[in-house]
Amino acid sequence: AQKVTQAQTEISVVEKEDVTLDCVYETRDTTYYLFWYKQPPSGELVFLIRRNSFDEQNEISGRYSWNFQKSTSSFNFTITASQVVDSAVYFCALSGPGANNLFFGTGTRLTVIP
Amino acid sequence: GAGVSQSPSNKVTEKGKDVELRCDPISGHTALYWYRQSLGQGLEFLIYFQGNSAPDKSGLPSDRFSAERTGGSVSTLTIQRTQQEDSAVYLCASSLVREMREQYFGPGTRLTVT
Repeated sequence: AQKVTQAQTEISVVEKEDVTLDCVYETRDTTYYLFWYKQPPSGELVFLIRRNSFDEQNEISGRYSWNFQKSTSSFNFTITASQVVDSAVYFCALSGPGANNLFFGTGTRLTVIP
Repeated sequence: GAGVSQSPSNKVTEKGKDVELRCDPISGHTALYWYRQSLGQGLEFLIYFQGNSAPDKSGLPSDRFSAERTGGSVSTLTIQRTQQEDSAVYLCASSLVREMREQYFGPGTRLTVT
């Protein structure tokens, strides 16, 4: 069974602080894919990143970085120097090789206070 | 290029009526997905289409829900005899092929059943 847990329901930070959003997953597949999506107040889910299970290299894109650790089944997302525009709900998701859909976590609502 | 579009953006209907929700995927994307996002339930997979293959309907919650995809492009999600628990945001997504995994989402249709 596939499961994604985002234990942090809501996080508030002051602008320019760094923030890490946690994601823990469960799967029996040896090959799988992990994702992060952003859902701003406008409602449209925006794709941020895909990570394959066989590639544990961390990734950095501007102020965003992702830490994938198979040993702890975690795929955490860090925003450096947060900005008000980062305020959104962030979803972590998982997909297996035989799955036709994404399994989403319940999301973390991030509020960046100016 | 144009993203995934959905119509209507909002729909209010009376309990017991039928509704149709439309999705236009990104041009050239062969895979199309419907999800439902409701309070307390997160993002739930409903149905998946890939080319001319039989759809994966494993996520449809009841036989009141059905979907079609005509000509491998536009899709319509139909809910018959709507119930109040059907109130949610219905999201459509598409991807180039299923194996690409990352799905691109439309803005959703907010359905309210009174």
